[in-house]
Amino acid sequence: DAGITQSPRYKITETGRQVTLMCHQTWSHSYMFWYRQDLGHGLRLIYYSAAADITDKGEVPDGYVVSRSKTENFPLTLESATRSQTSVYFCASSESNIDNSPLHFGNGTRLTVT
Amino acid sequence: GDSVTQMEGPVTLSEEAFLTINCTYTATGYPSLFWYVQYPGEGLQLLLKATKADDKGSNKGFEATYRKETTSFHLEKGSVQVSDSAVYFCALNTGNQFYFGTGTSLTVIP
Repeated sequence: DAGITQSPRYKITETGRQVTLMCHQTWSHSYMFWYRQDLGHGLRLIYYSAAADITDKGEVPDGYVVSRSKTENFPLTLESATRSQTSVYFCASSESNIDNSPLHFGNGTRLTVT
Repeated sequence: GDSVTQMEGPVTLSEEAFLTINCTYTATGYPSLFWYVQYPGEGLQLLLKATKADDKGSNKGFEATYRKETTSFHLEKGSVQVSDSAVYFCALNTGNQFYFGTGTSLTVIP
């Protein structure tokens, strides 16, 4: 099916471990984004990418790494997970960066760091 | 800087009641405005959008009008249903970045 797919849906990991969240989109959208959603904070941008091999930091990038070797994939890696990174993570894509282009979201990954 | 402020929740309404969720924004340019809806366990889905002043976005009985003079984009629905229970997010996009409100939880009871 066309769309944006995140995996896994749920992940439990221990403090200090590396974990990678996957995001795949089938629309060939240029722009992709990672957000985290926390109660009281709404959605906060972690990283975004304008095209393959082009990435940039968002509002809360510390502790995260991204890559984009192919247009359709945008994995997010937590290099050494901390409890403060327990959150719901959403990947999103957009056709362009003009202001009326909407974001399309995946269903999220709920990450718990113990 | 650019930002969005939306009314605090949670909001609880009876079926067929009128819904208003307030949203105001601050932006240096002329942003596009959006409402997204999030059902339990799912990602955000675009509900409606408006791209310039006085535009009205509408979808599934929901409406919002882009009011430049009051910097507002309030979401309304004339008669809510149980299936409208969700979290609603107001957002703006200046072309550089999306800014989201913190979300308003709506519960509709039969």
